[in-house]
Amino acid sequence: AQTVTQSQPEMSVQEAETVTLSCTYDTSESDYYLFWYKQPPSRQMILVIRQEAYKQQNATENRFSVNFQKAAKSFSLKISDSQLGDAAMYFCAYSPRGGSEKLVFGKGTKLTVNP
Amino acid sequence: ETGVTQTPRHLVMGMTNKKSLKCEQHLGHNAMYWYKQSAKKPLELMFVYNFKEQTENNSVPSRFSPECPNSSHLFLHLHTLQPEDSALYLCASSQPSGNTDTQYFGPGTRLTVL
Repeated sequence: AQTVTQSQPEMSVQEAETVTLSCTYDTSESDYYLFWYKQPPSRQMILVIRQEAYKQQNATENRFSVNFQKAAKSFSLKISDSQLGDAAMYFCAYSPRGGSEKLVFGKGTKLTVNP
Repeated sequence: ETGVTQTPRHLVMGMTNKKSLKCEQHLGHNAMYWYKQSAKKPLELMFVYNFKEQTENNSVPSRFSPECPNSSHLFLHLHTLQPEDSALYLCASSQPSGNTDTQYFGPGTRLTVL
């Protein structure tokens, strides 16, 4: 069974600094998707970034980028120039290609941004 | 409205009550999902509907009864719940067989069972 592990229950960062959230996963599939979702106190689960496993290039969305290491099954999220609005729970998730119903989440990392 | 909407946002009910949660998606997707999110636990997938047909039921107790009348609407009917059922219930939708395999979530219903 696929599993997703987030080893950092909590992280903090100073405003304008950079922070990296870790995620590892386990799968025997070769083609899959990886996601980072953000859940602020408003509770809405928002898609931050998505990576397709067959693409070697790391995905980037504005201040958010990933470091995807397929062989190591690692998928970390880097947030640059952190803003107060980035404070939230961040969930790493995995699904096999063509299997969006099999989305598996990690337990989440709570990010605090200090002014 | 856009995206995925859920009503009500908050619900308090007694163990003998019957209530329903509603989810509506405006994204033209064909798959819809119910998740349960409890404190300090990963999201738990409860039900999956593909083209209105239920394709997953992750051993959910029968006191939770889903209904999907069409691809845009999903309900979760609740009856004789237990206090441990108190949680955030999230609805999501996706387009199966699409190229993105991405689920989009609603804002959730915070349920408290007294």
